[in-house]
Amino acid sequence: EAGVAQSPRYKIIEKRQSVAFWCNPISGHATLYWYQQILGQGPKLLIQFQNNGVVDDSQLPKDRFSAERLKGVDSTLKIQPAKLEDSAVYLCASSLDRGQSAFFGQGTRLTVV
Amino acid sequence: AQSVTQPDIHITVSEGASLELRCNYSYGATPYLFWYVQSPGQGLQLLLKYFSGDTLVQGIKGFEAEFKRSQSSFNLRKPSVHWSDAAEYFCAVVLTGRNNAGNMLTFGGGTRLMVKP
Repeated sequence: EAGVAQSPRYKIIEKRQSVAFWCNPISGHATLYWYQQILGQGPKLLIQFQNNGVVDDSQLPKDRFSAERLKGVDSTLKIQPAKLEDSAVYLCASSLDRGQSAFFGQGTRLTVV
Repeated sequence: AQSVTQPDIHITVSEGASLELRCNYSYGATPYLFWYVQSPGQGLQLLLKYFSGDTLVQGIKGFEAEFKRSQSSFNLRKPSVHWSDAAEYFCAVVLTGRNNAGNMLTFGGGTRLMVKP
């Protein structure tokens, strides 16, 4: 069974530039999550989708971050404009349904300089 | 709001020694509980989970965890640690119940395990 796919693996951008991350969840998984993991910390949930609807985005900095899951499968997370403090690993995960075991991709390491 | 605490930021054990990593959560509802492991440069791998039933759960790689409702804890254990177990370990919790439609997966801050030869 294919796992959660994320791209790119690494990205370096200058502050005030924009960046986008892509995630393809495990086939059939209704729930998709985006997490931000700053070095030395645990993952922090940014947004959770159930199919193509947003379940929770209370910790998403909406002035600069946006995410979509238009057809209930793939998802993109965008940052515009990026700040230095956005440097982190962005993890995508999916689960069959809410509350079930979540499976994670390898993440995208973003460095903002 | 639900929260998850891992009191130990770093733990060092000798290879072959036993291991216990602590995890506490703080809310009164029935939780779903998880342990994940993260090796350097890798994503998170699920070690084990507790939903209901037997409070001692077995996971992969020889790990087990015990849910203790009275202590709001879900500690991870392994009888004999291998050098390859060196990694970061995260406890995570999902708050269940009718009023928690989101069922968000919330992580603790992690415990970094180092293994001495």
